[in-house]
Amino acid sequence: AQSVTQPDIHITVSEGASLELRCNYSYGATPYLFWYVQSPGQGLQLLLKYFSGDTLVQGIKGFEAEFKRSQSSFNLRKPSVHWSDAAEYFCAVGEGLTGGGNKLTFGTGTQLKVEL
Amino acid sequence: SQTIHQWPATLVQPVGSPLSLECTVEGTSNPNLYWYRQAAGRGLQLLFYSVGIGQISSEVPQNLSASRPQDRQFILSSKKLLLSDSGFYLCAWRGWGAGGGYTFGSGTRLTVV
Repeated sequence: AQSVTQPDIHITVSEGASLELRCNYSYGATPYLFWYVQSPGQGLQLLLKYFSGDTLVQGIKGFEAEFKRSQSSFNLRKPSVHWSDAAEYFCAVGEGLTGGGNKLTFGTGTQLKVEL
Repeated sequence: SQTIHQWPATLVQPVGSPLSLECTVEGTSNPNLYWYRQAAGRGLQLLFYSVGIGQISSEVPQNLSASRPQDRQFILSSKKLLLSDSGFYLCAWRGWGAGGGYTFGSGTRLTVV
């Protein structure tokens, strides 16, 4: 079965510093990969997604992620973090379902704290 | 544009009481619909998904059920809530075909007391 690992439960960075959130996946075929952000008590907002093509994906809010098949990774990066980026970040892999449709399998999330 | 509505935002229910959470999608047709539950420190777990009216698939055995009475309506129910049903419930939809992301509702915080 496919799985997603986010090895860092909590990360603290200073405002203006660079950020990298790690994500490793396990999936037999070419994966559909996603990063979502969740503010407290809110739903999930899609930051970016990878389906095929260029392995460096640009997203909203200045985020980018790089798909590395050899490392089974899809790490999220931002060159300069803003205090408003403090939130929980989820990596997910999409897969097909028997009977049609697809589903997302999520990692357990990384809580980002930004120090002013 | 497509929007997804989920209500209520918060709910406090006693153990043994029934539950009904509703999710509706606008601006699309025949979406794949999903119910996820989020427990603290455990990420999101897929509970149910639906690829069409009346078609429900369950990912994990539990005290909950789901129904899809209309194309863009997805309901999560329980006849008798347990303490372990507490959590944050999220509805999501995805259009057909590759290239589409999943759009989530704003969630329902359920506390069973």
